[in-house]
Amino acid sequence: GAGVSQSPSNKVTEKGKDVELRCDPISGHTALYWYRQSLGQGLEFLIYFQGNSAPDKSGLPSDRFSAERTGGSVSTLTIQRTQQEDSAVYLCASSFIGRGLYEQYFGPGTRLTVT
Amino acid sequence: KNEVEQSPQNLTAQEGEFITINCSYSVGISALHWLQQHPGGGIVSLFMLSSGKKKHGRLIATINIQEKHSSLHITASHPRDSAVYICATLHQGAQKLVFGQGTRLTINP
Repeated sequence: GAGVSQSPSNKVTEKGKDVELRCDPISGHTALYWYRQSLGQGLEFLIYFQGNSAPDKSGLPSDRFSAERTGGSVSTLTIQRTQQEDSAVYLCASSFIGRGLYEQYFGPGTRLTVT
Repeated sequence: KNEVEQSPQNLTAQEGEFITINCSYSVGISALHWLQQHPGGGIVSLFMLSSGKKKHGRLIATINIQEKHSSLHITASHPRDSAVYICATLHQGAQKLVFGQGTRLTINP
């Protein structure tokens, strides 16, 4: 695949359950980002991975949210004990970080609905 | 106050009109993205620019670093241009994007 892929595309879960969202970045891209788009809230940054550096977790809204990136490629965003306010579209993006500035390429997103 | 402000929030125009969407930001940046999001669709990066002007087809993006302002122009607008256009800034020394609230553009035939 040439682009960023995410799975599942849609997820409906009950309040209190844990969910895992997956992101496959573009091959060779060293940086991976998670963003969230809530209804009426616009897009917001969640977490950023770059190579082997410690991730920038400054955007995670609570300790129920965590993310990991295995082998410098695939990433999983985990939300524990989901709440209704977690309902949003979760977007992943990747880019190649080197000299200069590189564009971020976005995946199609995972629409999470917490009932 | 959002660090990135877009105007207008909503814009409706007739096919063929020249469209301008504005973006202002409050802190120093290393680059600015213009993104396009179709209803139910993903996000596509239209431009990334740090100075001057870029053109791609009917789309033109400009940025004035001193005034902390960018504009996205669409010439000869078409109904397929209907989408939400989002301005996002990359702060100096950081890699995370800060997003504007978006401009919903509707082009009527």
